[in-house]
Amino acid sequence: NAGVMQNPRHLVRRRGQEARLRCSPMKGHSHVYWYRQLPEEGLKFMVYLQKENIIDESGMPKERFSAEFPKEGPSILRIQQVVRGDSAAYFCASSPPRGRTEAFFGQGTRLTVV
Amino acid sequence: AQSVSQHNHHVILSEAASLELGCNYSYGGTVNLFWYVQYPGQHLQLLLKYFSGDPLVKGIKGFEAEFIKSKFSFNLRKPSVQWSDTAEYFCAVNGPNFGNEKLTFGTGTRLTIIP
Repeated sequence: NAGVMQNPRHLVRRRGQEARLRCSPMKGHSHVYWYRQLPEEGLKFMVYLQKENIIDESGMPKERFSAEFPKEGPSILRIQQVVRGDSAAYFCASSPPRGRTEAFFGQGTRLTVV
Repeated sequence: AQSVSQHNHHVILSEAASLELGCNYSYGGTVNLFWYVQYPGQHLQLLLKYFSGDPLVKGIKGFEAEFIKSKFSFNLRKPSVQWSDTAEYFCAVNGPNFGNEKLTFGTGTRLTIIP
């Protein structure tokens, strides 16, 4: 059973470009979470999705950021018109549909904006 | 806003020393508690978790943690550390007062073990 897969591992974008980060949850998991880790800080929750639904986006910046988890395919975190302050590690986690259980994390995507 | 505090930012120990990393959360009520470890260049892995029952929780690699409800604490312990324990350790909480499923993390503790 493959773990949570994130790609790319490293992404370099120039200011103003778009960044697309992908996350494939573990098999059988229908809940996906995105977290951001800024330098010298802990992980901060961004958004929680289930298939085709955004459940909680209270941690998402109001502008330029969006997330989706379509019926087929990976979850996508999209950052439009990136700025230097978006440089961070972005982690995806997944969990199964029911029961109290831990979230399983991917290896993260390190975004660098130049 | 609910928060999780890890007071030790960087801990340096010699091999075989005992370890205790502090974790406190800001609000009572029903909580689920986790310790994750991130080895250099790798993803976060679960060390141990507490949902209910015995407040002393055993995890992988000889780690344990004790939930003390009256102190809002969930400190991580290991009696004898190894060089391979060098990593970053994150305490996390979720539950009804923390936004349900989403995790609230502490800022992490970087542990360096000197051979």
